[in-house]
Amino acid sequence: DTAVSQTPKYLVTQMGNDKSIKCEQNLGHDTMYWYKQDSKKFLKIMFSYNNKELIINETVPNRFSPKSPDKAHLNLHINSLELGDSAVYFCASRPGGANYGYTFGSGTRLTVV
Amino acid sequence: TQLLEQSPQFLSIQEGENLTVYCNSSSVFSSLQWYRQEPGEGPVLLVTVVTGGEVKKLKRLTFQFGDARKDSSLHITAAQPGDTGLYLCAGLYNNNDMRFGAGTRLTVKP
Repeated sequence: DTAVSQTPKYLVTQMGNDKSIKCEQNLGHDTMYWYKQDSKKFLKIMFSYNNKELIINETVPNRFSPKSPDKAHLNLHINSLELGDSAVYFCASRPGGANYGYTFGSGTRLTVV
Repeated sequence: TQLLEQSPQFLSIQEGENLTVYCNSSSVFSSLQWYRQEPGEGPVLLVTVVTGGEVKKLKRLTFQFGDARKDSSLHITAAQPGDTGLYLCAGLYNNNDMRFGAGTRLTVKP
């Protein structure tokens, strides 16, 4: 039943490791996003994909690489993890058009030690 | 530089009081949305406003979009402890570029 699902919910890893976070939506939405929420709860857009095509790529380190194998999936791979990457990462999706809001996943809390 | 300024950042009130949260920008939005986020969860959409001057009501919550589509407010009447949470405004600049305010953390004490 879950509309936007992310895995894992929690991820604890050491500096220098490579990790992936998966996201899937079953809403038929055209656009998917990755957001990073810092300790002060500020949500910052990282990437946006529309029908598997990258349309927004904010200034994030190139250690972060999104992959969209199909319209329903948008995964986030992070290389060489750093302490500053610790945050909550949210996947979201929405239909096209100004009238529609996001449906968010429940987040992945990444802790780099 | 944040595109959306949200105020206040923190708000602690007693049950039954009214409150207003503001969201301001120098840019014009295609639409503006309000979300509520609880600990350990993703933000949940409350409302989308599209037309300048638009007012929408959701039970005790009233949302207003400024005439120039640059600002918005959220008013809660007779707040209840269940209203406690992080309230986020988000503005849509292009069809797919949504930017969030820093949030207002509301605590309603019984």
